[in-house]
Amino acid sequence: DQQVKQNSPSLSVQEGRISILNCDYTNSMFDYFLWYKKYPAEGPTFLISISSIKDKNEDGRFTVFLNKSAKHLSLHIVPSQPGDSAVYFCAASVAGTASKLTFGTGTRLQVTL
Amino acid sequence: DTAVSQTPKYLVTQMGNDKSIKCEQNLGHDTMYWYKQDSKKFLKIMFSYNNKELIINETVPNRFSPKSPDKAHLNLHINSLELGDSAVYFCASSQEAGQGWHTGELFFGEGSRLTVL
Repeated sequence: DQQVKQNSPSLSVQEGRISILNCDYTNSMFDYFLWYKKYPAEGPTFLISISSIKDKNEDGRFTVFLNKSAKHLSLHIVPSQPGDSAVYFCAASVAGTASKLTFGTGTRLQVTL
Repeated sequence: DTAVSQTPKYLVTQMGNDKSIKCEQNLGHDTMYWYKQDSKKFLKIMFSYNNKELIINETVPNRFSPKSPDKAHLNLHINSLELGDSAVYFCASSQEAGQGWHTGELFFGEGSRLTVL
């Protein structure tokens, strides 16, 4: 049972434009959400997170939006840069078990010149 | 200086063999993990150790045995390897934010690609 879903396996965006990566979850117990970025032959690196008590969290060019009623979150990257080309994983956890993350299958973002 | 390092990065072996993957972190974190990324790109937790004690064991076959000699090391030993064990295995670590709570910010190693023939 896939509790965290990233339905778009890939996304291509022009440099300077906005990239929007989406993630849906089914477990209503999830209350902490994270995005990880992964380059080839490297491990995932933490990008940004959001608690369920918020609906938005911003860090520089990266903003995560959470819609709890729709069980949906999204990552916005503005403006997109070629160095943002990577696989982005959405992850979720339950309060008190934030060390146990459930990951989505990832979306490969390609930022073109 | 690599924060979370795994060895070997690549491992090709025959079915039925026993192999180990080693992991070390120099971040001073108190919790370490093994995650498995299979051919469908699912990244799933296998084990978690906090200060050398097993705290998460996600119904992994008992052919997989983690060992944590100290809180900076978490090794994974796999007995009687099967074709389905082929995957990339990621080690990770994190620091408790307080009262057993973790922020979820994990620091991952580069992964160890295991191929079972």
